[in-house]
Amino acid sequence: AQSVTQPDIHITVSEGASLELRCNYSYGATPYLFWYVQSPGQGLQLLLKYFSGDTLVQGIKGFEAEFKRSQSSFNLRKPSVHWSDAAEYFCAVGAGFDFGNEKLTFGTGTRLTIIP
Amino acid sequence: DGGITQSPKYLFRKEGQNVTLSCEQNLNHDAMYWYRQDPGQGLRLIYYSQIVNDFQKGDIAEGYSVSREKKESFPLTVTSAQKNPTAFYLCATQGLAGGEQYFGPGTRLTVT
Repeated sequence: AQSVTQPDIHITVSEGASLELRCNYSYGATPYLFWYVQSPGQGLQLLLKYFSGDTLVQGIKGFEAEFKRSQSSFNLRKPSVHWSDAAEYFCAVGAGFDFGNEKLTFGTGTRLTIIP
Repeated sequence: DGGITQSPKYLFRKEGQNVTLSCEQNLNHDAMYWYRQDPGQGLRLIYYSQIVNDFQKGDIAEGYSVSREKKESFPLTVTSAQKNPTAFYLCATQGLAGGEQYFGPGTRLTVT
């Protein structure tokens, strides 16, 4: 079974600074990987996804993530954060076309605070 | 307008009462999921359904029940057997096995 670790519970960055949120996964084959964002009291919105191909994927709102198989990581990055990026971020892993294992496994989330 | 509808946004109940949370989708997705979210605990899977008239327990199914009579609908009942039902409940759909899930806006349930 797959698993996901987000080692940072809470991160604070200044507006305009760069951001990197960490995600490590465990899965025997090539995983499907996702990053979601959640504003308080709202549902989750998909930021980006990796299925195969180019290991650097671009998403919405200026975010990108890089799949590194050797490090079992899928870290989320943004070159310059905006106050509106303050939210909770979840990394998730899926097993792809693995019959009987169609669910996604979510990390526990990283809360991002932006200071002026 | 495609998407996932959860109603109501806020729900209040007295202890000992069963309550049903609604989840409707018009994305034509086969798979639907229910998650519970508590502060600082991420998402925990309650039940999921890959196809109409079939569903499976997730990690925390005790005290909950579901039905899947129509592709578009996957209601969740929180029974009086659920020890701590106050939480934020999220419904999601999935169009591709192992692929991304799409989430509804959530229902915040408060039981007193």
